[in-house]
Order: sequence, then C-alpha cells, then structure tokens
Amino acid sequence: EIVLTQSPATLSLSPGERATLSCRASQSVSSYLAWYQQKPGQAPRLLIYDAINRATGIPARFSGSGSGTDFTLTISSLEPEDFAVYYCQQRGIWLTFGGGTKVEIK
Amino acid sequence: VQVVESGGGLVQPGRSLRLSCTTSGFTFGDYTISWVRQAPGKGLEWVGFIRSKTYGGATEYAASVKDRFTISRDDSKTIAYLQMNSLKNEDTAVYYCTRVVRDDSYFDYWGQGTLVTVSS
Repeated sequence: EIVLTQSPATLSLSPGERATLSCRASQSVSSYLAWYQQKPGQAPRLLIYDAINRATGIPARFSGSGSGTDFTLTISSLEPEDFAVYYCQQRGIWLTFGGGTKVEIK
Repeated sequence: VQVVESGGGLVQPGRSLRLSCTTSGFTFGDYTISWVRQAPGKGLEWVGFIRSKTYGGATEYAASVKDRFTISRDDSKTIAYLQMNSLKNEDTAVYYCTRVVRDDSYFDYWGQGTLVTVSS
C-alpha cells in the first residue's frame, strides 16, 4: 500500500497570504495525484487531478505541482472561503488518501 | 449531477446494513462508482468501487472491508449499493458515494454522505 504523508498538519495563515501544502508518497505514483478540499459538515471537493490540472470550476489561485513522490498544492492568495482541510489522494494499486492539512485563520 | 446516499443509521456489531446511492444528471452506466468513508473527526478512507458494465462491473475493495462489504449497481435505476455485513465498531463513519473518473483514479462528484454508527 502506498502511504501519503501530508505536511504540515496545520497551517495558520491570514487572508491574502500564500499557502503551500506538501504531500509525500512512500513510493512513486507518477503524476496520479489529486487534491481535495473539505469544509466542516461538507463532502470533499476535487480541486486538482493528475498533479497539475484544475478540476472544473476551480479558481486559478489553486495550483498543483510535482511528480513521483513529492507534490505541492499552492493557494496563491487565501480567500476567506479557502480555510478548510485539504487531502491528497493517489491512484496506485489501491486508492489512498493522505492524513490532511488544516488551513486555519491566523 | 446529483448523488444522494441513504440508508445509514445505528446498527449493532455483527449485524448488516445496506446503503443506497441514487444518482442523476449523468449517464450512470458509463461510470465507475465508489464508496469513501470518514470516521468521526478522522480522514478519508476509500472503501471500494464497482466498474461499469463495459468493464464487466468488476469490484475492488480496501483490505479493511474485503469479504464483509459488497458493492453492486442497478444501471436501470441509476443506483449503487453498499452491502455491509459483520459490522464492527470501527466501521462507524460517514459513508460517501462518489463518481470516479480518469481511469478509476479520482472522485469528481460526491454525495452529502450518510452516517453509519455501529454500537451496542
């Protein structure tokens, strides 16, 4: 099983700041990596797929990068609605998620 | 696209429960459908999926539920099911039904989830 490790666990930032979230895989997943956003009481929402592609309707301030074992989700300038938990997910032999990064208001 | 789960509730350990996933707004038969769960206050865990009839309706399951859970589908009704047997306390979670895209890789539409609580 491929394990995804997300860091940091919590990111405390102010609106307008840049957020950089990391996801590291225990072995290569090529570019088969996605990012999801989850707000309290809501289902997750697909943000990024294949490491770099924004899903339909996702604002341009969200961008993904990386390949192999190291991936990054960047939010260029945090909006109030971006404070949430973010999960990475890989497609290997099975589908697994990282433990999540909570982006909270500083 | 709409995805709506139902059937959750309180069940005793060792008993069974069946969840339903009712969909609309897309050609259900063309897509793999998956279940993902989230224990209270925890992260996301993939449970399993069922491929389209084009791919034989094949199923795959996470090791934690294999041989206890079964996913099925009724394309005529655009509904998927999750049959959960021999339930354990650790199966307590919100269960989400999702549409899967990009060669069974990613979850692009999610339902609102249904809570299953396993407790005596």
